[in-house]
Amino acid sequence: EAGVTQFPSHSVIEKGQTVTLRCDPISGHDNLYWYRRVMGKEIKFLLHFVKESKQDESGMPNNRFLAERTGGTYSTLKVQPAELEDSGVYFCASSQTGPNTEAFFGQGTRLTVV
Amino acid sequence: GEDVEQSLFLSVREGDSSVINCTYTDSSSTYLYWYKQEPGAGLQLLTYIFSNMDMKQDQRLTVLLNKKDKHLSLRIADTQTGDSAIYFCAERETYGNKLVFGAGTILRVKS
Repeated sequence: EAGVTQFPSHSVIEKGQTVTLRCDPISGHDNLYWYRRVMGKEIKFLLHFVKESKQDESGMPNNRFLAERTGGTYSTLKVQPAELEDSGVYFCASSQTGPNTEAFFGQGTRLTVV
Repeated sequence: GEDVEQSLFLSVREGDSSVINCTYTDSSSTYLYWYKQEPGAGLQLLTYIFSNMDMKQDQRLTVLLNKKDKHLSLRIADTQTGDSAIYFCAERETYGNKLVFGAGTILRVKS
């Protein structure tokens, strides 16, 4: 069974441009999470989808970030316009519903804004 | 809010034991986790411990939890070169599903 896949694996864009990251969760997982690790610091929570609904978006840094999960399957995270401080590794994770279900992580997308 | 702190770097010789330490702030966390990230790979769940436990052992891995001091440690016995990676400590938020991570400890194993 395929794990969580993220695309692209790397992206280099100029400041002011737009980038869209994609995450395909494990089939059947209702929960989908986005996290970000900036400059070797801690991995920080961005938001949590349950199916197509945003359960918790308290970690989204500002309104330049837009996450969607139309149809409750794959998710996209768009950054528009990108700023230098948006550089980092963006991780996606998915899990089944339950009290301590394991969150499976993708390999991450390394975003570099120059 | 919650905060998780870890030492940044640990270097050990192959065959020695490694101990990676972590402190957290949310005393009501129910689960605490250790994740491993190898170069170019995603985060892999290594082990977890429920908050009512003091210790959990799984082959070469031993997790110790001191709830009073909010201290979590991961001991890797007989450390191998393949254990070289970044190790992240994480706590599960009490009233939600999100994980709160530390900054990661880089483990370097010298042969």
